[in-house]
Amino acid sequence: DAKTTQPNSMESNEEEPVHLPCNHSTISGTDYIHWYRQLPSQGPEYVIHGLTSNVNNRMASLAIAEDRKSSTLILHRATLRDAAVYYCILRDVAAGGTSYGKLTFGQGTILTVHP
Amino acid sequence: EPEVTQTPSHQVTQMGQEVILRCVPISNHLYFYWYRQILGQKVEFLVSFYNNEISEKSEIFDDQFSVERPDGSNFTLKIRSTKLEDSAMYFCASSYNRVPNEKLFFGSGTQLSVL
Repeated sequence: DAKTTQPNSMESNEEEPVHLPCNHSTISGTDYIHWYRQLPSQGPEYVIHGLTSNVNNRMASLAIAEDRKSSTLILHRATLRDAAVYYCILRDVAAGGTSYGKLTFGQGTILTVHP
Repeated sequence: EPEVTQTPSHQVTQMGQEVILRCVPISNHLYFYWYRQILGQKVEFLVSFYNNEISEKSEIFDDQFSVERPDGSNFTLKIRSTKLEDSAMYFCASSYNRVPNEKLFFGSGTQLSVL
């Protein structure tokens, strides 16, 4: 799997925007960029994914660089509930044309949100 | 939103004992997974399962581990003879499809403590 690099930790204040960066300089043309987060004592939770274009959903926005070597997860107004570990994960098409669901988690970015 | 349910939330066992961790995936999902997370470490893939067969497994998933879908709703992970190093949080996940733009839904986990 292609490797991603994220800062170990970031801090934000409540109700401010948060930009969580991810570098994936060895990304291949068929890699999807996924973001998951893990709240304390919970399982990972899907946040958003994209391939080439920027994406928005009710939880966040994903901005993908034109060369796809980096991406940024944007939380528009952080809340205390957004304090979590955020994982940037690449998912590709394995041999045979299917991905077997194997997500490779790194250490992620620990997001602390201050009241 | 539908969710993946795991039972029990905590399990304590003696070294050498067999344990079965149970999961109820989302009802219309076809692909099932187990991951684990040792305290303070990354979330690690163990195994994926589809159509009553293992699709992929990691090096961690040795002969001591087995998975089963005993009926139409449950998905289980059995550890035949537990070791101290099996102590971890075990997460079940499911997805409808296994293409790279599909999201996985995770349960809240079972904390396994081997004494």
